[in-house]
Amino acid sequence: QQQVKQSPQSLIVQKGGISIINCAYENTAFDYFPWYQQFPGKGPALLIAIRPDVSEKKEGRFTISFNKSAKQFSLHIMDSQPGDSATYFCAASTGYSTLTFGKGTMLLVSP
Amino acid sequence: KAGVTQTPRYLIKTRGQQVTLSCSPISGHRSVSWYQQTPGQGLQFLFEYFSETQRNKGNFPGRFSGRQFSNSRSEMNVSTLELGDSALYLCASSNTGLNTEAFFGQGTRLTVV
Repeated sequence: QQQVKQSPQSLIVQKGGISIINCAYENTAFDYFPWYQQFPGKGPALLIAIRPDVSEKKEGRFTISFNKSAKQFSLHIMDSQPGDSATYFCAASTGYSTLTFGKGTMLLVSP
Repeated sequence: KAGVTQTPRYLIKTRGQQVTLSCSPISGHRSVSWYQQTPGQGLQFLFEYFSETQRNKGNFPGRFSGRQFSNSRSEMNVSTLELGDSALYLCASSNTGLNTEAFFGQGTRLTVV
């Protein structure tokens, strides 16, 4: 069964700190790895995505690190802000397949 | 550019009833996917439609069905509702569905009592 395992389940970070969320996958055919951010009462919104031909992608304060041999990828949020408090989902897909999501990480950034 | 629109936003139904949810994708998008979100199971894929054809299907019972119209709008139907069907149902649209950015609607919160 295709699975994406996400950790931690919840995370508390001080304002200005670095938030790190990790995901591991099993299916080596996965070739697209997006991260979604979801605020209460809203649908998930794409934050950043990576393909396995690169090991890192940075967009502003958000960075994805990708380790193909370990089948792991992670999201780093630099200089975390209270406005970043949300639930974050990693996901993976291959070809025309649909997104397989991790269970989510609730991030709280304390002021 | 208008986003993905899901209606209604909230629904309360009784066990045994059926329900129809609607999703209007972003203009020009031909792929519509449906997901069920619950606290325990997270986001689970229901099915995907592309150009009026079901292209992918998740592991849900036959009580869950969907369709897509020629204007790409999609509906999903749940028959014989069970308490466990209470969830946030999310629709996502994308241009082709091939590893491209998927845009989610705000969802329909279904409560079965």
